[in-house]
Amino acid sequence: AQSVTQLGSHVSVSEGALVLLRCNYSSSVPPYLFWYVQYPNQGLQLLLKYTTGATLVKGINGFEAEFKKSETSFHLTKPSAHMSDAAEYFCAVRSTNAGKSTFGDGTTLTVKP
Amino acid sequence: DGGITQSPKYLFRKEGQNVTLSCEQNLNHDAMYWYRQDPGQGLRLIYYSQIVNDFQKGDIAEGYSVSREKKESFPLTVTSAQKNPTAFYLCASSMGDRGNEQFFGPGTRLTVL
Repeated sequence: AQSVTQLGSHVSVSEGALVLLRCNYSSSVPPYLFWYVQYPNQGLQLLLKYTTGATLVKGINGFEAEFKKSETSFHLTKPSAHMSDAAEYFCAVRSTNAGKSTFGDGTTLTVKP
Repeated sequence: DGGITQSPKYLFRKEGQNVTLSCEQNLNHDAMYWYRQDPGQGLRLIYYSQIVNDFQKGDIAEGYSVSREKKESFPLTVTSAQKNPTAFYLCASSMGDRGNEQFFGPGTRLTVL
């Protein structure tokens, strides 16, 4: 079985501040991990993913995430928030033996000027 | 230009009517998915298909039906048996390998009056 928990349904930061969105997963086998972004009334777009290899993964728009097996975490970070980063962010897990992904409930990021 | 199209963008139906949502992809992806999105509940998987002429129920399949007669098409029918069909519906596709990300369509917002 696989599951995802995103801690904090809403996160608010000031422009230029660090962005940290938390994701913890559960998987009985090695997982594939994904972060997606969704703007209002649109579909989701991939930010980054971890499959194998380097545990620090860089994505689009300056985001990165680190796979920490011991902590079963895949937190998303960005050093300096921009107004354009305001959106909803979803973490997803897919076990290597699973036919489908499981998505977290999402975190809405607000960026204050 | 490759991608996934969903139509229509907005759909209104009277209670008790069946309605079919269209999803087409020209990415040559093997797998296709339908998700339902409600505020605060993330994405919930309705049905998925990993190959033509085959599909599996997701977590909330009751009241929905699908077909996969062609690789590029995966229509979703919302039947009158679905108790609360008003929602945002997202279609996605991916290559067969489990480490590959999903590509999402723009979504269809269904409102049942």
